[in-house]
Amino acid sequence: KQEVTQIPAALSVPEGENLVLNCSFTDSAIYNLQWFRQDPGKGLTSLLLIQSSQREQTSGRLNASLDKSSGRSTLYIAASQPGDSATYLCATVGNQGGKLIFGQGTELSVKP
Amino acid sequence: DAGVIQSPRHEVTEMGQEVTLRCKPISGHNSLFWYRQTMMRGLELLIYFNNNVPIDDSGMPEDRFSAKMPNASFSTLKIQPSEPRDSAVYFCASRIGASGSSEQYFGPGTRLTVT
Repeated sequence: KQEVTQIPAALSVPEGENLVLNCSFTDSAIYNLQWFRQDPGKGLTSLLLIQSSQREQTSGRLNASLDKSSGRSTLYIAASQPGDSATYLCATVGNQGGKLIFGQGTELSVKP
Repeated sequence: DAGVIQSPRHEVTEMGQEVTLRCKPISGHNSLFWYRQTMMRGLELLIYFNNNVPIDDSGMPEDRFSAKMPNASFSTLKIQPSEPRDSAVYFCASRIGASGSSEQYFGPGTRLTVT
């Protein structure tokens, strides 16, 4: 059974800092991995999707990497801004092609 | 595109009452998912449909929960009778294709409170 873990559970950084959020998963037989952002009381916004054959994806100040063999993904945020404050969730899709298995999220706070 | 639409956004009901949550997926998407989010358990899949057919309902907690997708543009999640432990945020998501290679897009959620 796939288990997804995110460390740390919470992170507070000053504005302008580069930061890395970590995601690990126990079953490397994944179809893809998706990173989401969730603002308080809101739904999930998809940030990046990495297919199992890919090593990384980039969107603006965000870069996500995937290492299937070690069961790890990282989300790199460059030059963080207060508007980046939110909970970041990673989720895997297994080879059965269906459901997302979510980590518990990292709550990020970027202080001005 | 309006994105995934869910209604109602908030629902407060008394224990024992029937609750129906509604979802309209993004037009052209043929996979639909129902998730539940709680502080204790995080985000969990309840059920998902491909081309209106239920594929995996192993996450449906009890027989009190049922979901239908009568057509490609509408799905319901029903709880009957509701209990206080059903209080959570329920999300609907949709995706193009059935293979799992594409992104899932989430609706704004329905916050359910059962008193």
